[in-house]
Amino acid sequence: ESVLTQSPATLSLSPGERATLSCRASQNINNYLAWYQQKPGQAPRLLIYDASDRATGIPDRFSGSGSGTDFTLTISSLEPEDSAVYYCQQRSIRLGETFGPGTKLEIK
Amino acid sequence: QVQLVESGGGLVKPGGSLRLSCTASGFTFSDYFMSWIRQAPGEGLDWIAYISTTSSYTNYADSVKGRFTISRDNAKNSLYLQMNSLRVEDTAIYYCARDQTSSVGLDYWGQGTLVAVSS
Repeated sequence: ESVLTQSPATLSLSPGERATLSCRASQNINNYLAWYQQKPGQAPRLLIYDASDRATGIPDRFSGSGSGTDFTLTISSLEPEDSAVYYCQQRSIRLGETFGPGTKLEIK
Repeated sequence: QVQLVESGGGLVKPGGSLRLSCTASGFTFSDYFMSWIRQAPGEGLDWIAYISTTSSYTNYADSVKGRFTISRDNAKNSLYLQMNSLRVEDTAIYYCARDQTSSVGLDYWGQGTLVAVSS
């Protein structure tokens, strides 16, 4: 069954810069991948589903791409409020809904 | 608007039991799969279980299989998690979430309820 890894573990960028977060599956998962944002003290928020579809109310500076084993979450122009931990998640028959370990994004 | 409200968390001794509830509103509860996810202090997200719309199908993480039971009551718009044989490592915030089912993604989450397992 597929396991998810995320890189980098931590990313530090300035406002206006572009952020590229990676999620890699150990086996082909087609496009069965979602991305979440979690800020301290808050529940996670769905950003992207089915690898590339933006969830309701998510700004268009967030985009997802990829299929198979390699996926990317891109934030085109960082805002201070984008500081958070970002998780990817897959669905598999046996393992259920598994999450990656997360990428912590810091805005300088 | 969609709301999910968890309750039932608290402090329990190792080996003890606890039942969490999640009350849903603002959508047709019986149309959606539902999941429980937990997060230990300072750690990442850990999916625990999900349940189908009619309760005919459930799936559990290996870490809780045989100890936790997910269930639902569509007439009460409620989701439950019965937790038995609790361990110190079960200490976490427990979230319920709505599963998009036909797409991969948990689109609405509750605010979470804290379960602390300690002697």
